[in-house]
Amino acid sequence: AQKITQTQPGMFVQEKEAVTLDCTYDTSDPSYGLFWYKQPSSGEMIFLIYQGSYDQQNATEGRYSLNFQKARKSANLVISASQLGDSAMYFCAMREGRNFGNEKLTFGTGTRLTIIP
Amino acid sequence: GAGVSQSPSNKVTEKGKDVELRCDPISGHTALYWYRQSLGQGLEFLIYFQGNSAPDKSGLPSDRFSAERTGGSVSTLTIQRTQQEDSAVYLCASSLVGGWGGEETQYFGPGTRLLVL
Repeated sequence: AQKITQTQPGMFVQEKEAVTLDCTYDTSDPSYGLFWYKQPSSGEMIFLIYQGSYDQQNATEGRYSLNFQKARKSANLVISASQLGDSAMYFCAMREGRNFGNEKLTFGTGTRLTIIP
Repeated sequence: GAGVSQSPSNKVTEKGKDVELRCDPISGHTALYWYRQSLGQGLEFLIYFQGNSAPDKSGLPSDRFSAERTGGSVSTLTIQRTQQEDSAVYLCASSLVGGWGGEETQYFGPGTRLLVL
């Protein structure tokens, strides 16, 4: 079974609109972390936002927010007021358990977001 | 401060040759990770370093792959007798050890694009 599932291979969104990128995860570990990364065409993975499994509130970072629904095991990324520069691949990733120092990430297959002017 | 750096940015080699890929992590980050990104396999974990030791090598695809880290800083990933299926982008990431919450975030370098002819 996939540990991280991103069901939207591609999305087209009008500039200035909000966009939600879906991510569901599968783990039996009570302690985990969820991450979103952006990968523009240049190839570098840019960290966007983090949500811990014990966090009581949804994470927010500027225009990015994470809609964390623990019971549904979903961690959707919401980008408000999209910009042309948001066009990129977006990856959801998970770290399971706490083995201090070895927090290897498992990635989803990504969503390619294209912002239309 | 400086981010994670990797070299070379691009590498073209002939099948059967050995290659070395270098990663210089963020200063003060003692955890270092190598990942591989390829069209067929997505993003996959290769190896993790804690200081100079590698307690988790579970992601290395074959014994042709090896890695070392010296001085708790720079790491080198070596691929011996390269094969065409080794063609991919090799990404390095670093993080704080034992960080809680967002402190555990892994920050990625720009990657090395390897093409085996």
